[in-house]
Amino acid sequence: LAKTTQPISMDSYEGQEVNITCSHNNIATNDYITWYQQFPSQGPRFIIQGYKTKVTNEVASLFIPADRKSSTLSLPRVSLSDTAVYYCLVAMARDTGRRALTFGSGTRLQVQP
Amino acid sequence: DTAVSQTPKYLVTQMGNDKSIKCEQNLGHDTMYWYKQDSKKFLKIMFSYNNKELIINETVPNRFSPKSPDKAHLNLHINSLELGDSAVYFCASSRRGQETQYFGPGTRLLVL
Repeated sequence: LAKTTQPISMDSYEGQEVNITCSHNNIATNDYITWYQQFPSQGPRFIIQGYKTKVTNEVASLFIPADRKSSTLSLPRVSLSDTAVYYCLVAMARDTGRRALTFGSGTRLQVQP
Repeated sequence: DTAVSQTPKYLVTQMGNDKSIKCEQNLGHDTMYWYKQDSKKFLKIMFSYNNKELIINETVPNRFSPKSPDKAHLNLHINSLELGDSAVYFCASSRRGQETQYFGPGTRLLVL
């Protein structure tokens, strides 16, 4: 069964770089990889999206290897306000030929002072 | 202005009841979604819908049905509620063909 897997949790300190990896071994060919951030009692919020190689915006970078079977979200110099759950979202190819949008299991990032 | 809104924010009801959750987006998006987030924080897609196609996650019981009166609304109807339906339900929308989704604040459903 195709899955997207992420580490359950990570701990960091303010000012450090944090890298969170998502494995998606059966990603659909033409779909993007998207990462979301979720705070308690809120809906997920878009962080970054990419198809291959590297994408950078004002809050994060996304690294995607050539085979696209994984992706790594990089948060530079985290602060306390980055404490949240981070999810990858990919479209997984199914045996039926359809694609199924699948969230990763989520990584709970705890940033300490 | 809220881009994606849901009502109600909280819903407490008895087993066996029928309930609806409303979702509206003012982003002009073509595609809307419903997700269920369980107590372990797993997010699972239930439906995606644009004006031409409804894609259903086959694991969703047929007690759940989306209804779209127009492009800006996708409501979720749930019949014969069960204890296991207790969860947070999120509505989201995106422009057609893109995966960047904008999520609503969630509806916390508790079935007693």
